Amino acid sequence: KNQVEQSPQSLIILEGKNCTLQCNYTVSPFSNLRWYKQDTGRGPVSLTIMTFSENTKSNGRYTATLDADTKQSSLHITASQLSDSASYICVVSAYNNNDMRFGAGTRLTVKP
Amino acid sequence: NAGVTQTPKFQVLKTGQSMTLQCAQDMNHEYMSWYRQDPGMGLRLIHYSVGAGITDQGEVPNGYNVSRSTTEDFPLRLLSAAPSQTSVYFCASSYSGLGRSDYGYTFGSGTRLTVV
Repeated sequence: KNQVEQSPQSLIILEGKNCTLQCNYTVSPFSNLRWYKQDTGRGPVSLTIMTFSENTKSNGRYTATLDADTKQSSLHITASQLSDSASYICVVSAYNNNDMRFGAGTRLTVKP
Repeated sequence: NAGVTQTPKFQVLKTGQSMTLQCAQDMNHEYMSWYRQDPGMGLRLIHYSVGAGITDQGEVPNGYNVSRSTTEDFPLRLLSAAPSQTSVYFCASSYSGLGRSDYGYTFGSGTRLTVV
């Protein structure tokens, strides 16, 4: 069983609308959580990184939240644009470990 | 500053053939790694290196070899290609690995490999 589960698997929204992507993890002991954006045919690009003590971090129209007690994170996208169409990947790292665990991603499609 | 460069972008192999996927970075990053990405699954770590001359296995190392003779280059070798190795391969680098660094990982654009 993957230690990082993302939902939904895919999502279609209209341009200008908001959306929220979810990430649940069981990786322990927790070190940090990253959200990546992966455009089709490209490698993932980092959006945010959050450590245990952080519960909200913003990067433009992207806002990530972290609840380390419930082991949940969300990525909220406001005023979506066509260029937001991509896969969004949640990555969780364990402390003192070389291992990063990747979620399978949420495929977001923004339609005009 | 090119970042992480992967070649080739696409490759078709016959079962049993061997080949090398190239990865080069110009950011003087110590940590480099190879992942494979399959539909419906998260990226999985194949091999990684924490510096020149040092490599180690990741989650799915079987069928792959790596070497790190320089800081810049980290090639991935498929010894005898199998259809199960059909995947998209990503090389990544970081100033400091271990998943704990505040420095993000820089990924290459990927190599799409098909084994027939």
